[in-house]
Amino acid sequence: DAGVTQSPTHLIKTRGQQVTLRCSPKSGHDTVSWYQQALGQGPQFIFQYYEEEERQRGNFPDRFSGHQFPNYSSELNVNALLLGDSALYLCASSLVLAGGNEQFFGPGTRLTVL
Amino acid sequence: RKEVEQDPGPFNVPEGATVAFNCTYSNSASQSFFWYRQDCRKEPKLLMSVYSSGNEDGRFTAQLNRASQYISLLIRDSKLSDSATYLCVVNSPPGGYNKLIFGAGTRLAVHP
Repeated sequence: DAGVTQSPTHLIKTRGQQVTLRCSPKSGHDTVSWYQQALGQGPQFIFQYYEEEERQRGNFPDRFSGHQFPNYSSELNVNALLLGDSALYLCASSLVLAGGNEQFFGPGTRLTVL
Repeated sequence: RKEVEQDPGPFNVPEGATVAFNCTYSNSASQSFFWYRQDCRKEPKLLMSVYSSGNEDGRFTAQLNRASQYISLLIRDSKLSDSATYLCVVNSPPGGYNKLIFGAGTRLAVHP
């Protein structure tokens, strides 16, 4: 049973560039949530996708956008990168019919912005 | 005020010690509560859900006090392998589609 997978594992970008991170949910899951975890902090909710729609969003600017595909996989896009975007980006999947409370996290993508 | 606040760490304890972590949350409409464990440079993993009646899983006991908006985690007979960061987590209010709100985490270091 494949768990949540994310790619790439690590990424280095420069300010102003754009980045796309990818996530495949745990088999059978239909909901994907994205979180940003800065060093020494807990993860912060970015947004959640279900049925290819963004259905909730945290306090992040429009530079952060996403997409969910028919196979439930998801992408997170960040435009005009800032130094402060350096963080671990975590994807979590869950199943709506199971209540959605238990979220399984992928290993994350560590983004460094120089 | 942060939505979820935890004891500042780190906690340095010897093997076999009992250690308690505390957490408070600000939104009284929160419905579900959890403790996650995060090892260094790894993803968070669900340790246990927290119920109003309290619940226990081996050496771990979680308690919830809705009136005080307070959550606790007790670890008995600490093992070296318990060294990690413990994250207190609540879901968002009704209609929030299970957005999880994390505390900043409390680091535990168990030494021989």
